[in-house]
Amino acid sequence: KQEVTQIPAALSVPEGENLVLNCSFTDSAIYNLQWFRQDPGKGLTSLLLIQSSQREQTSGRLNASLDKSSGRSTLYIAASQPGDSATYLCAVVDSNYQLIWGAGTKLIIKP
Amino acid sequence: DVKVTQSSRYLVKRTGEKVFLECVQDMDHENMFWYRQDPGLGLRLIYFSYDVKMKEKGDIPEGYSVSREKKERFSLILESASTNQTSMYLCASSLGIRYTFGSGTRLTVV
Repeated sequence: KQEVTQIPAALSVPEGENLVLNCSFTDSAIYNLQWFRQDPGKGLTSLLLIQSSQREQTSGRLNASLDKSSGRSTLYIAASQPGDSATYLCAVVDSNYQLIWGAGTKLIIKP
Repeated sequence: DVKVTQSSRYLVKRTGEKVFLECVQDMDHENMFWYRQDPGLGLRLIYFSYDVKMKEKGDIPEGYSVSREKKERFSLILESASTNQTSMYLCASSLGIRYTFGSGTRLTVV
């Protein structure tokens, strides 16, 4: 059964730092991996989607990588800002087309 | 842009009440989903639907039912609300493997 793990569960860094959030999955048979952002009490916003055949995707200051063979993805945030504070969730679409979720990393950017 | 609208942002209901959570999407997506989100547990799938009048149980369907009479609308029903159903409920629709989420309904059962 596919399991998705995100480490760390929470992270606090000073503004301006570059940072990396980690996501690992147990079964490499995935269709894609997605990173979402969730602000407190709100729904989810899709940030990046990496197809299983891709190695990375970039959007502005965000870069997501995917290594299927090792079951890992990273979300790199450059030059962090207080507005980046949120919970970041990763999810994989498994071989049954179901979304399997990690528990999220709560990110706090200190001004 | 695809829009998924959940009718209520916050709801407070009494134990034993019948509760309806409504979700509407405007992009003719075939697939719709209901999740609940609890601290430390992440998102868990309650029910999903791949077509009108079609429904499939997710990981935690107990205590819930769903209705999909029209393609754009997917309703989650709590037949008799209980305090352990206090949670954030998220609706999503998808085209293929790209998902769009609503803003969520925070339900409190007292």
